[in-house]
Amino acid sequence: KQEVTQIPAALSVPEGENLVLNCSFTDSAIYNLQWFRQDPGKGLTSLLLIQSSQREQTSGRLNASLDKSSGRSTLYIAASQPGDSATYLCASRGSYIPTFGRGTSLIVHP
Amino acid sequence: DVKVTQSSRYLVKRTGEKVFLECVQDMDHENMFWYRQDPGLGLRLIYFSYDVKMKEKGDIPEGYSVSREKKERFSLILESASTNQTSMYLCASSGDTEYSPLHFGNGTRLTVT
Repeated sequence: KQEVTQIPAALSVPEGENLVLNCSFTDSAIYNLQWFRQDPGKGLTSLLLIQSSQREQTSGRLNASLDKSSGRSTLYIAASQPGDSATYLCASRGSYIPTFGRGTSLIVHP
Repeated sequence: DVKVTQSSRYLVKRTGEKVFLECVQDMDHENMFWYRQDPGLGLRLIYFSYDVKMKEKGDIPEGYSVSREKKERFSLILESASTNQTSMYLCASSGDTEYSPLHFGNGTRLTVT
């Protein structure tokens, strides 16, 4: 059964730092890897989707990479801002049912 | 843009009540999912549906049932609400292949007193 781990569980950084969030998965036979953002009390907002044939995807200050062979994905946030404070979740999809990590809670302080 | 709409943001119900949580998507998606999210436990799948009238149990189906009479609507039913069903409930949908992205609604915060 697929297991998805996100480390660290929580992160606090000063504004302006570049940071990396990690997502690892145990079964490399995945179709895609999707990163989400969740603000307190809200649903999940999709940030980036990387298909299994791709190595990375970019959107603005966000860059997500995928290394299937090592079972890892990273979300890179450039020049972090207080508005980036949220919980970030990754989900791998090896079947119709995705498997979620527990998320990294990010605080960016001014 | 895909839109997944959950009918209520907040609900307060009494123990023993029958509760309906509604979810509607506007992209003709085949797959729909119901999750609950609790602190420290992450997202847990309750039920999913891969077509009209088709459903499969997820990891924690006990105390819940679902209904999918139309493709765009997936309802979660708490037959007799209990306090341990107080949680955030999230609905999601996706297209008919494993390559399709997931889209989530805004969530329903249910409190059972």
